[in-house]
Amino acid sequence: EPEVTQTPSHQVTQMGQEVILRCVPISNHLYFYWYRQILGQKVEFLVSFYNNEISEKSEIFDDQFSVERPDGSNFTLKIRSTKLEDSAMYFCASSERDRQTLGYTFGSGTRLTVV
Amino acid sequence: GDSVTQMEGPVTLSEEAFLTINCTYTATGYPSLFWYVQYPGEGLQLLLKATKADDKGSNKGFEATYRKETTSFHLEKGSVQVSDSAVYFCALNSGGGADGLTFGKGTHLIIQP
Repeated sequence: EPEVTQTPSHQVTQMGQEVILRCVPISNHLYFYWYRQILGQKVEFLVSFYNNEISEKSEIFDDQFSVERPDGSNFTLKIRSTKLEDSAMYFCASSERDRQTLGYTFGSGTRLTVV
Repeated sequence: GDSVTQMEGPVTLSEEAFLTINCTYTATGYPSLFWYVQYPGEGLQLLLKATKADDKGSNKGFEATYRKETTSFHLEKGSVQVSDSAVYFCALNSGGGADGLTFGKGTHLIIQP
């Protein structure tokens, strides 16, 4: 069964540093997403990406964050100048156009720890 | 805005017990509803979904019925197993072109042998 692959599974970074989280979505999917789950809290939508541009973003997704699809397979989330409160599990997801019917496929997540 | 409310956990049951995890929602438009499961150390896996009122989603013995009149999508299973221990998330996509999912806080289910 096709999978969404995320790397690394765990990243530790110092406060103020930049991190890039990487994802390989399912190859025939058109929409790509990033979500965040702070420990013990709910999963929160960050951003969606379609046709090489941001389609929708939440209030959380401020200027500190950016996304990119640098080639035909990878989808990245960059967090500039990380803060302690950025520590969370970050999930990548992808979907076909008809996401309401077909649903979304999530990766296993990258646990980001900012120290 | 959209929101999903789930019963607080943890929920602890004995093996073979009947399971209900309540989920209610508030949404504009005509949402699609989902249950995701997160096993320890793993990502989110789609468990089941329903796209319109009165639809029943089912998978692996789990069921949930989309009830528009009560804005609910309760998850049920007739006989749980230890391997069902996980965190269960109710979620919705509100439709109308909205991209992302709105999640509930999750319910931690613990099944004891």
